[in-house]
Amino acid sequence: DTAVSQTPKYLVTQMGNDKSIKCEQNLGHDTMYWYKQDSKKFLKIMFSYNNKELIINETVPNRFSPKSPDKAHLNLHINSLELGDSAVYFCASSRGSFSNQPQHFGDGTRLSIL
Amino acid sequence: TQLLEQSPQFLSIQEGENLTVYCNSSSVFSSLQWYRQEPGEGPVLLVTVVTGGEVKKLKRLTFQFGDARKDSSLHITAAQTGDTGLYLCAGRWGGSARQLTFGSGTQLTVLP
Repeated sequence: DTAVSQTPKYLVTQMGNDKSIKCEQNLGHDTMYWYKQDSKKFLKIMFSYNNKELIINETVPNRFSPKSPDKAHLNLHINSLELGDSAVYFCASSRGSFSNQPQHFGDGTRLSIL
Repeated sequence: TQLLEQSPQFLSIQEGENLTVYCNSSSVFSSLQWYRQEPGEGPVLLVTVVTGGEVKKLKRLTFQFGDARKDSSLHITAAQTGDTGLYLCAGRWGGSARQLTFGSGTQLTVLP
C-alpha cells in the first residue's frame, strides 16, 4: 500500500503555464511538506502544514501556492512557470511537526519546463 | 541559514570495500537523521541520532554522532551493490530553525 503518493510523476510543460501537483498520505500523519530537489540533488523545504495550518513557508516565490483541504492532502499549485522551476518536487509527511519522527517521502514529481 | 556540508560529494568503490561519509555543521544539532535515496524514489530514513557520542548500527551500516553534536559519520562495512544510492544527512537545530535541513548528499556507487 502506498504511504505517500503524489501525482503526476512526470510533468512537462511550457514556460508561463499554470500546473498543480497533488499529494495524499494514508499514514494518519498530521504534518505534510513540500520539498524541491534541484539538479545537484539538494533537497530544500518549501512549505509545511500541520493539521491544515501553514507552519513553514520558506522563501518561495508567491507563484507557488500550497493548499491543504484536509490533513491527508497537500497540493501544490504553481502559476506562470519559469525555467528555473524545473526540478523534482517531493511531498512528505510525518507525525508531529518538529519532532524526530521520520519523514515519509513520495516518489517525487519531475517537473520540466520547456 | 544553517548549513550542512557532506563529503565526499561522489564516491565510487568496489564491492567488498569499506567506506565512510561525513556530515558537518558549524552549529550544534539538536538531532540528526540519515536518509538514503534511490533513483526515481524519495529519501527513506535510515537512522536518527540525538545524543552526543551516540553510535547506532544497522546491519553493515554504523552511524556516529560527534561528541559536540556538530558532525556525524556513516560507515559502511563490506559494501554491496545494493548500497548504491544518494546518502543524505538532515539536521535539526534548536530555537526558531526547527525544521529539518538537508545536506547536499553523497552519491555512492558500489561496483560489482
